[in-house]
Amino acid sequence: ILNVEQSPQSLHVQEGDSTNFTCSFPSSNFYALHWYRWETAKSPEALFVMTLNGDEKKKGRISATLNTKEGYSYLYIKGSQPEDSATYLCAFKSNTGFQKLVFGTGTRLLVSP
Amino acid sequence: NAGVTQTPKFQVLKTGQSMTLQCAQDMNHNSMYWYRQDPGMGLRLIYYSASEGTTDKGEVPNGYNVSRLNKREFSLRLESAAPSQTSVYFCASSERLNTEAFFGQGTRLTVV
Repeated sequence: ILNVEQSPQSLHVQEGDSTNFTCSFPSSNFYALHWYRWETAKSPEALFVMTLNGDEKKKGRISATLNTKEGYSYLYIKGSQPEDSATYLCAFKSNTGFQKLVFGTGTRLLVSP
Repeated sequence: NAGVTQTPKFQVLKTGQSMTLQCAQDMNHNSMYWYRQDPGMGLRLIYYSASEGTTDKGEVPNGYNVSRLNKREFSLRLESAAPSQTSVYFCASSERLNTEAFFGQGTRLTVV
């Protein structure tokens, strides 16, 4: 059973704060690491798909890094805004079998004005 | 372009009843998935279909069956609903193995 862990479980920050979350995944048989943003009452939407060790991806104020050798990825949000409030999910895809996505339990972010 | 469409959005069943959750995607994706989401747990894979004509079990397949009717449609059936199947169900699809998954809006199912 693949274990994907995210920390912290939840985070409450003030508008303008920068923040980061961690996703830990198996360091062997790596294929890809996904990040999704999930707003309440909506469906998850992809932020990044990362496949190479050392990858860094950026979308606006959100960026992510990847270390496949040690099995972790960081998601950073610079200058958090209330509209960033959501649950952020990471998902690991192994290179064995069908390479199905295994999701972590997410980090719930609340940004207060 | 609707993306991934799930029906129904809400459903209440009595224990022992059966029902089918419908999912269709209009993005010509090869792979489709059914997940369930429960409080405190991540999205757990119930069944998946790597391509048209194939289906396979995920992490939590017991109590469910699926049909990949064609490339567009992937349905999930509960033959005899149980309270433990109360959950939010998400259908998703992806084009290739290393591309992102697109999710439907979810079905909130309650079994009483």
